[in-house]
Amino acid sequence: LAKTTQPISMDSYEGQEVNITCSHNNIDTNDYITWYQQFPSQGPRFIIQGYKTKVTNEVASLFIPADRKSSTLSLPRVSLSDTAVYYCLVGDNPGNTGKLIFGQGTTLQVKP
Amino acid sequence: DTEVTQTPKHLVMGMTNKKSLKCEQHMGHRAMYWYKQKAKKPPELMFVYSYEKLSINESVPSRFSPECPNSSLLNLHLHALQPEDSALYLCASSSGLGRNEQFFGPGTRLTVL
Repeated sequence: LAKTTQPISMDSYEGQEVNITCSHNNIDTNDYITWYQQFPSQGPRFIIQGYKTKVTNEVASLFIPADRKSSTLSLPRVSLSDTAVYYCLVGDNPGNTGKLIFGQGTTLQVKP
Repeated sequence: DTEVTQTPKHLVMGMTNKKSLKCEQHMGHRAMYWYKQKAKKPPELMFVYSYEKLSINESVPSRFSPECPNSSLLNLHLHALQPEDSALYLCASSSGLGRNEQFFGPGTRLTVL
C-alpha cells in the first residue's frame, strides 16, 4: 500500500474554502484515493473516493492530477463543525484484503 | 439503517479481568473489522472478518480474541490486558473487501488499570 504524506495541521476560518493536499508518490495503477473524517471520540467517516480527475459529492470535492502522485480534498465554505482530523488513504487493498492503512492525518481547526 | 453500534461506550477493567466488546450492524455487510486507536494517533487495524471467517490478524497478542458469531455481530474478548492496551476500540463494516467504504462505530473507550 502506498504511503501518504499530509500536513499535520491546518487552520481556517468559517466560510472559507479549505484545501488539504495529500502526497502519494508511490501510488499504484490499481490504487484508489479515499478520504475519511474523524471527530474526537468518534469513528472515522468516509468522505469521498476517486481514481483520477475530479470527484464531487454533497460534502467535498477531490482533485487528482494526471500523474496521480498527489490529491487535494476541497471543503467548500467550512463551518466550526468541520473541525476534525482528515485522513488520506491510498490502496486497492491488494488481494481484496480489506486493509485500510491510516496515515497521520491532518487536524483542521476552523475558527469563528 | 446505516449504523454500526458498539457496546459498552466505556469500559474500565483490571489486568486480571475478562471482558468483551460487542459490535453490531444491520446493513447486510459481510466484512467486519476491529481497529485500535491510541490518543492523537490514527486507527490501527487489528482484525478483518469476511463472511464470518477471520481473514486478517495483524499480529495481535492473544489476549485479544475476536469472534464473529453471525454476519451481524462481532465480538472482541479481552483477557489479561496490560495498561498499554488502554485505547479507543473501533468496529467497522463494509459490504465487501476491497475499496468499499467502511462504516465505523463510535468506539469503546477502554481503560486498563
